[in-house]
Amino acid sequence: AQKVTQAQTEISVVEKEDVTLDCVYETRDTTYYLFWYKQPPSGELVFLIRRNSFDEQNEISGRYSWNFQKSTSSFNFTITASQVVDSAVYFCALSEAYNFNKFYFGSGTKLNVKP
Amino acid sequence: EPEVTQTPSHQVTQMGQEVILRCVPISNHLYFYWYRQILGQKVEFLVSFYNNEISEKSEIFDDQFSVERPDGSNFTLKIRSTKLEDSAMYFCASRPGTSGTGELFFGEGSRLTVL
Repeated sequence: AQKVTQAQTEISVVEKEDVTLDCVYETRDTTYYLFWYKQPPSGELVFLIRRNSFDEQNEISGRYSWNFQKSTSSFNFTITASQVVDSAVYFCALSEAYNFNKFYFGSGTKLNVKP
Repeated sequence: EPEVTQTPSHQVTQMGQEVILRCVPISNHLYFYWYRQILGQKVEFLVSFYNNEISEKSEIFDDQFSVERPDGSNFTLKIRSTKLEDSAMYFCASRPGTSGTGELFFGEGSRLTVL
C-alpha cells in the first residue's frame, strides 16, 4: 500500500535560516511520482515539484532544493535562507505512475518563519 | 496562466441540507478530481472522473456524494444530506491526458461548514 509520512508536524525557524522538511514514502510500485505542494494560509494548494522514480538527481530551484534518495525512500525538501513568505503548510505526495487517479498525501509540515 | 476555479469559496449550511460545489477545470484537461481536507489534517482523495464517468472513488465517497459534468466546462460535487463531519475544505483538481506529467492542478478550494 502507498503511504507518505511527514514526521515533522510543525517547524519554526528565524528568517534566513535553512530548513529541511522530511518526507518518507512507502510503495510497492517500481514506477511512481513524488510531489511537493505548498499550502499558504489562504488555503490553496500550490504545486512546487514533481519527481519520477527513475530520476534521482537532486533539483534546485532558487532557494528550494529537493533530495530524492530511493535507498531510504525519502524525498526531502530544503529551503535555503528562509523568508517569512515561506510560512505555509507543505505537503509531500505520491502517485503511481500508471494511475494518476489517486494522490497519497502526507499529513503536512507547518513551517513558521519568524522575522 | 490557466487555472482551476472553484465556487463558492466558503459555504455554510445546516445539517441535512444539500450542497453543490462547483469547479471549472482547465479547459483542455481530461481528468477531474475532488479531494477533501478536514481542518488540520491531510488531503484525502474522494473521486476521479474521466470520460463522463467515475473512474475511481474512495471509501469516503459514499452514496451521499455524487459528481457530475453537466456541460463542457463545469464539474460539480453534490453532497445530498450534509453531516457535521462533512465540514472540510474541498479541492477540485484536473490534469491533462496521458501526455501529461501527472501533476494535478488544484483549485483554491471550497470551504464547507456544516452546522
